Amino acid sequence: DTAVSQTPKYLVTQMGNDKSIKCEQNLGHDTMYWYKQDSKKFLKIMFSYNNKELIINETVPNRFSPKSPDKAHLNLHINSLELGDSAVYFCASSQKNGAYNSPLHFGNGTRLTVT
Amino acid sequence: DQQVKQNSPSLSVQEGRISILNCDYTNSMFDYFLWYKKYPAEGPTFLISISSIKDKNEDGRFTVFLNKSAKHLSLHIVPSQPGDSAVYFCAASGGSNYKLTFGKGTLLTVNP
Repeated sequence: DTAVSQTPKYLVTQMGNDKSIKCEQNLGHDTMYWYKQDSKKFLKIMFSYNNKELIINETVPNRFSPKSPDKAHLNLHINSLELGDSAVYFCASSQKNGAYNSPLHFGNGTRLTVT
Repeated sequence: DQQVKQNSPSLSVQEGRISILNCDYTNSMFDYFLWYKKYPAEGPTFLISISSIKDKNEDGRFTVFLNKSAKHLSLHIVPSQPGDSAVYFCAASGGSNYKLTFGKGTLLTVNP
């Protein structure tokens, strides 16, 4: 039973399109995240939600909008996709926000390719 | 602005030997450090952590050492096994926003 699952695994789309990536966790965690791994391999946080409330919003274009319908789900919607959005997007969850001994559990990533 | 640096992009060791992966950080506010392991086409998985009140934490074959004065931590794997071959990410957090800052990762290859 997958703890953090995200769909789709691969997403190929054209510039200008709008797309969504879905994420669900069955661990009962309070906090969920979106991370982006770019071509330079850095994993950088984009957003963090704690019990459906946005708590971290890094410098991310407004075209990216996270939505958390409940604490088990955090979806990422991207408008007007650009070439530079091509990356691997990882969803993650943790039991508590920022608490010690509360490591992140990651999904397997969504490889987004914008052509 | 790389606050967490893993200066070795890759490391190759023989099975049974010790693997030592290094990580340096610049932000004095960091007080919690973690290592994650990542296989291809999978997400990172948590391996071991250490808080700044300790200088060593051990879990089976994995030991993390923290040198606060040098702002340096290392992960020791002994003995190394072929299944340990993966990318290892160092991560750190601290201050008021609790976000994790990751290094670029080091690809470890353990040769049989």
